[in-house]
Amino acid sequence: NAGVTQTPKFHILKTGQSMTLQCAQDMNHGYMSWYRQDPGMGLRLIYYSAAAGTTDKEVPNGYNVSRLNTEDFPLRLVSAAPSQTSVYLCASTRGEYGYTFGSGTRLTVV
Amino acid sequence: AQSVAQPEDQVNVAEGNPLTVKCTYSVSGNPYLFWYVQYPNRGLQFLLKYITGDNLVKGSYGFEAEFNKSQTSFHLKKPSALVSDSALYFCAVRDLDNFNKFYFGSGTKLNVKP
Repeated sequence: NAGVTQTPKFHILKTGQSMTLQCAQDMNHGYMSWYRQDPGMGLRLIYYSAAAGTTDKEVPNGYNVSRLNTEDFPLRLVSAAPSQTSVYLCASTRGEYGYTFGSGTRLTVV
Repeated sequence: AQSVAQPEDQVNVAEGNPLTVKCTYSVSGNPYLFWYVQYPNRGLQFLLKYITGDNLVKGSYGFEAEFNKSQTSFHLKKPSALVSDSALYFCAVRDLDNFNKFYFGSGTKLNVKP
C-alpha cells in the first residue's frame, strides 16, 4: 500500500515552460487536493476534486488539473512563473480521518 | 469562513521538558480540528484530530491536544519532549460547508535540544 505518490521529487523549470506534476493514490479515496507550501505561509489550497470527473479551483490562474479516474490527480503549470516556485503537496482523504499526504514536489522556476 | 492561527513561528524546548505548540481557531459552528507533523523533506503526517467528545485528544508518538471552546484553542502538547520530535507542526480546521476542504495554519517549527 503506497499511499499517495508524487513525481518528480525535484524539478527546475524555466519561466514560460509548462510542466505536469504527477499524483497517484491507491487507497480508493474520493477526494484529492493540491496544496502549495511556502515558508511562513503554511499550506495554501490550489485545486481539489471530490470525485473522478469533477474539479474545483481555489486560486485563479496558472494551474490546471484533471481527474479522469479515482487514482490520478495531475497538476499542470500552464506557463511557469517564478512566483510558482514552491513545494507542491498532493493529498487524498476518505473524509473523516483527515488527509494522507504525498512527500511533495519541490519546484524551482528560474 | 473557517481559519486557524499558529502564533509562534518557532518553539524551543529542552529534551525531557514538556512542550506546547499553540493553535487558535475561528469557525462558525462546531470545529473539526487536526494536527499534522512534517519532518524534513517529507509530506505531512496526521497526528490527531478532534471531532467531538473529550476535550483531551490523544494521538501518535505520545502527543495529545487540548480542545478549549471558551478560548477557541487547540494546543498540541507532550509531557516529555524528544530530540526526534523536532519538526514542523501544522494545525488545520475542516471547512464546515465543504467537508473535504481543510485550512492550515502557517506552521510552527519545534526545536528540541539535547
